[in-house]
Amino acid sequence: KQEVTQIPAALSVPEGENLVLNCSFTDSAIYNLQWFRQDPGKGLTSLLLIQSSQREQTSGRLNASLDKSSGRSTLYIAASQPGDSATYLCAVDKAAGNKLTFGGGTRVLVKP
Amino acid sequence: NAGVMQNPRHLVRRRGQEARLRCSPMKGHSHVYWYRQLPEEGLKFMVYLQKENIIDESGMPKERFSAEFPKEGPSILRIQQVVRGDSAAYFCASSHGQGEHQPQHFGDGTRLSIL
Repeated sequence: KQEVTQIPAALSVPEGENLVLNCSFTDSAIYNLQWFRQDPGKGLTSLLLIQSSQREQTSGRLNASLDKSSGRSTLYIAASQPGDSATYLCAVDKAAGNKLTFGGGTRVLVKP
Repeated sequence: NAGVMQNPRHLVRRRGQEARLRCSPMKGHSHVYWYRQLPEEGLKFMVYLQKENIIDESGMPKERFSAEFPKEGPSILRIQQVVRGDSAAYFCASSHGQGEHQPQHFGDGTRLSIL
């Protein structure tokens, strides 16, 4: 059974500092891994999707890496801003089936 | 070009009542997924449907919960005889029908509160 863990559960940084969010999964037989952002009372916004054959994906200040063999992904957010304050979720899509397994999320607060 | 639409956004029910949650997928999407987010927990998969078919319901509680996605109209998640533990945010996602592992697009969720 796939289990996804995110560490830390919460993170508070001053504005301008780089953010490093970690995600680990127990079953390496994944099709892809996705990072989402969730604002309070809102749905999920997809940030980056990494296919299992890829090592990383980049979008603006965001960079996500994937090491499938060790079951890890890291989301880097450069030069954090107060608007980056949100909960960040990682989710894996198993190779078999069509459902996402989510981590518990990391709640990020960027202080001005 | 509307996204995934869920209604209502907030639903309050008393114990023992029924809750009906609706989800209209994105235009052109024929696959729907329901996830539940309990307080202080991550999202958990409940059910995956295509038009008129339940494909995977491995995450659905065995009793009181049912889901459908009819040929016409939205997908419905139905919870009968609700209990306090059903209080959660219920999210719907949809994806394109061609092939597996298509990106899932999420709605804003329905927040269900049980009094």
